[in-house]
Amino acid sequence: DIQLTQSPSFLSASVGDRVTITCRASQGISSYLAWYQQKPGKAPKLLIYAASTLQSGVPSRFSGSGSGTEFTLTISSLQPEDFATYYCQQLNSYPPGFGQGTKLEIK
Amino acid sequence: EVQLLESGGGLVQPGGSLRLSCAASGFTFSSYAMSWVRQAPGKGLEWVSAISGSGGSTYYADSVKGRFTISRDNSKNTLYLQMNSLRAEDTAVYYCAKGGSSVTARSLVLDYWGQGTLVTVSS
Repeated sequence: DIQLTQSPSFLSASVGDRVTITCRASQGISSYLAWYQQKPGKAPKLLIYAASTLQSGVPSRFSGSGSGTEFTLTISSLQPEDFATYYCQQLNSYPPGFGQGTKLEIK
Repeated sequence: EVQLLESGGGLVQPGGSLRLSCAASGFTFSSYAMSWVRQAPGKGLEWVSAISGSGGSTYYADSVKGRFTISRDNSKNTLYLQMNSLRAEDTAVYYCAKGGSSVTARSLVLDYWGQGTLVTVSS
């Protein structure tokens, strides 16, 4: 199975900051990676797929990049509603597992 | 508007069974793969199972293979997860999610999710 490791696991930042979350795959997955946002008590929400394609309706301050084994999710200017937990998911092969999550907290 | 509504969760004893349902609306249900993803209390997301639009192809995580069965009734726009031989470690919120037009892993981007249903396995 392909393992995904996110870093950092916890991130403290302020409104207006630029933040980057990294997701590393244990083997190459081309661009078959998605990013999700989850707020407490809510279902995950798709942000980005195919490593860099923004899902419809997602603000343009979110962006994704990478291919192969290293990927990043960047939020260009944090807004109050962005404080949440973020997960990457590999879609190269079954099982389509998730990273362990990155919790983004308000500083 | 796409809507997914899970039901069927609850408290069950170890070794027991439960069937989850997910009622779908707002899209052509039979044209899309569907998936179940779970989240244990305070933990991350774990993919559980997926099924093709026709129901002819299914996939499972090793942790549930042989105990859980995914199925769908396209005439009722409903997805199911039959869970047998339940263990304490199956305790989680179970989400159904809509995938792509194919059940290949590469098409399993989960673009809509239900609100989840809680399954608690305890004596």
